[in-house]
Amino acid sequence: NAGVIQTPRHKVTGKGQEATLWCEPISGHSAVFWYRQTIVQGLEFLTYFRNQAPIDDSGMPKERFSAQMPNQSHSTLKIQSTQPQDSAVYLCASSSWGQSNERLFFGHGTKLSVL
Amino acid sequence: GDSVTQTEGLVTLTEGLPVMLNCTYQTIYSNPFLFWYVHYLNESPRLLLKSSTDNKRTEHQGFHATLHKSSSSFHLQKSSAQLSDSALYYCALSDRGQQGTGSKLSFGKGAKLTVSP
Repeated sequence: NAGVIQTPRHKVTGKGQEATLWCEPISGHSAVFWYRQTIVQGLEFLTYFRNQAPIDDSGMPKERFSAQMPNQSHSTLKIQSTQPQDSAVYLCASSSWGQSNERLFFGHGTKLSVL
Repeated sequence: GDSVTQTEGLVTLTEGLPVMLNCTYQTIYSNPFLFWYVHYLNESPRLLLKSSTDNKRTEHQGFHATLHKSSSSFHLQKSSAQLSDSALYYCALSDRGQQGTGSKLSFGKGAKLTVSP
C-alpha cells in the first residue's frame, strides 16, 4: 500500500496563475479530506468527500478555491488566480469511512509557493 | 462550532525533561473524540493518540494523554523527552457530522517541539 499520494510535491506559481493539486487516496478508503497547513494557522480544514460526494466545504475560500472527486481514485484541489497568501502546504488525507473515531492517513502534501 | 486550543508556537526542551503540551476543546457533543497527531520533518502527519473515554489514560510511543470531560482537556505528556521527539504536534477534535455523512477533524494551531541535547 503506497499510502496517500499527492502530486506535485512542490509547485511554484506566479500571482494570478492557476494551480491544480492532485490527491490519490488509499485504495478502498471512501473519505477524502483536504487541509491547508501554515505556521500561523496550523492545519485548517478545507473540504471533504465521502463516496465521491462533497460533504462539507465550509473551510474553502469560495471565490477562488474548488475541489472535485471525479472518481474514487483521485481528488483535485484547484486554486484560481493564486495570491501570495495562498502559499502553504496543502495536505490530502483519507480514511476508511469518515467516521468520528477514525484515523486519518495523510499524504506528504503539496508545497505551494505563490510569487 | 467545535474548536481546539492547544499549546502553540515553539516549545524548546532539553533532552530528558518532561514534555507537556496542553489541549482544551469546545464542543456541543457529550461524547467527543480527541486526537494527537505528530508531524515529523519530511514525513506525513500521523496519528499518535486518540481517546473518547473519560478519565482513561491512553499511551503510545512513550506519550500519554487522558481525556477529562469535566475540564474539556486532553493534554499530551511524556516523562522524558528524546531528541527524536522533535516534531510538530497537533491536537484535534472530531465533530460528529450529520448522521450517515461522516465527520471531520478540527485541528489546533500546532506546537513545534524542539528537543536539544
